[in-house]
Amino acid sequence: AQTVTQSQPEMSVQEAETVTLSCTYDTSESDYYLFWYKQPPSRQMILVIRQEAYKQQNATENRFSVNFQKAAKSFSLKISDSQLGDAAMYFCAYRSAPSNTDKLIFGTGTRLQVFP
Amino acid sequence: NAGVMQNPRHLVRRRGQEARLRCSPMKGHSHVYWYRQLPEEGLKFMVYLQKENIIDESGMPKERFSAEFPKEGPSILRIQQVVRGDSAAYFCASSPGLAGYNEQFFGPGTRLTVL
Repeated sequence: AQTVTQSQPEMSVQEAETVTLSCTYDTSESDYYLFWYKQPPSRQMILVIRQEAYKQQNATENRFSVNFQKAAKSFSLKISDSQLGDAAMYFCAYRSAPSNTDKLIFGTGTRLQVFP
Repeated sequence: NAGVMQNPRHLVRRRGQEARLRCSPMKGHSHVYWYRQLPEEGLKFMVYLQKENIIDESGMPKERFSAEFPKEGPSILRIQQVVRGDSAAYFCASSPGLAGYNEQFFGPGTRLTVL
């Protein structure tokens, strides 16, 4: 069975600085997707970024980028130029591909605080 | 195009009562997923449904929990004889179910409190 581990329960960053959130996963599959979701105080789950395992190039979305190390089974999220609105819980997630189920497997989350 | 709708947003039940949580997927979406988030934890998969079919219920507790997604109307997650440990946020997500990658769009969740 696949597992996702986030070893940083809390992180903090100063506004405009850069922060990296860690995620490792365990799987025997070769084809899968990895995600970072943001959950602000409203509790709405928001997709931040997605990475396909077959792609060597790291995904980027504006200020958000990932460092995907397939051999090490590591998938970290880098937030550049941090903003107060980035404060939230961040969840790393895994999904098999192709799959009959498409279920997402989440880590336990990292709470990010942003200080002015 | 309205997003995924869940109601109620907050539900309070006493131990032993039944809880019914509703999820209306995005227009055109035929696949629904239910996840549970216990306090201070990540989301855990419960069940995956297509119209009138349960595809994967590997995350559903064996007793008291059931889910359906009828041909017409919303998907329902039903919890019978609730206990305090059922207190959690329950999220629904939907996807179009097309070939290839399908993003899951999440609803705002229902927070269930069992007294």
